[in-house]
Amino acid sequence: AQKITQTQPGMFVQEKEAVTLDCTYDTSDPSYGLFWYKQPSSGEMIFLIYQGSYDQQNATEGRYSLNFQKARKSANLVISASQLGDSAMYFCAMREGLVLSGTYKYIFGTGTRLKVLA
Amino acid sequence: KAGVTQTPRYLIKTRGQQVTLSCSPISGHRSVSWYQQTPGQGLQFLFEYFSETQRNKGNFPGRFSGRQFSNSRSEMNVSTLELGDSALYLCASSLAMAGQGAPTNTGELFFGEGSRLTVL
Repeated sequence: AQKITQTQPGMFVQEKEAVTLDCTYDTSDPSYGLFWYKQPSSGEMIFLIYQGSYDQQNATEGRYSLNFQKARKSANLVISASQLGDSAMYFCAMREGLVLSGTYKYIFGTGTRLKVLA
Repeated sequence: KAGVTQTPRYLIKTRGQQVTLSCSPISGHRSVSWYQQTPGQGLQFLFEYFSETQRNKGNFPGRFSGRQFSNSRSEMNVSTLELGDSALYLCASSLAMAGQGAPTNTGELFFGEGSRLTVL
C-alpha cells in the first residue's frame, strides 16, 4: 500500500489564484514529519514547508501553507497568489521514525506537476 | 552557505560499465542520503550514511553501493550498469544528529541538483 498518495498527476492554476495540492499519508508511527518539496526543471528539490505530527497549528511559510488534518491523514499544500515561477513538480514526503534515534526513513509521493497560466 | 554539490551533473555510460557519483553535503551536515528518481518509479531511497556508516538502506540490488568519508562527502557507485539504471540520482544532506538534542531539528533534507545518468 502506498504510504504517501498524491492523486493529482497534473494541475493548472491561473496566475494570482490559490491552488491546493493534495497529499494523504499512511503511518502507524506516532512521531512523523510531513514535508513538501518543489522540483523545478533544473532537478533540484527545494524544501517548502514542514509539519510535525505533534504540531497543533498548521504550518505556514510565506505563500505556502499546509492544511494538516491528522484524523484524515491528509497534508495538503496551499499556494496562495500563484506566480509563473511556481510551475514545477511538487512532492509530498513523510519522515517516519525519530530523527534523534537515526532510525528513520523518508517516503516520497509520486508528485503533482503544477502549471501556472498567465 | 554553500549548498549540496553533486558531480558530475550529466553523464552517459553503456551497459556493463560502472559509474561513481559524488556528493558534497552542506558544511556541518553529517547525514547524506541518496535517491534514484525515474519517471515511472518516482523517488526511491537508496541509502543513507551518517558518520561514515551506512545507517539505512533501501531496496536496491547490491550493484548499488556507497560510502562516506570523514569529511562527510559521499560517493555512490553503480556497477554493471543496466538500461533501467538511467535516472536522476539525487543526494541530500541533513542535520540529523543521532543521540544529540536538537528540538528544532525537523530532519529537513537539503538536496543537490542531481546527477543525470543515461545508460545506452
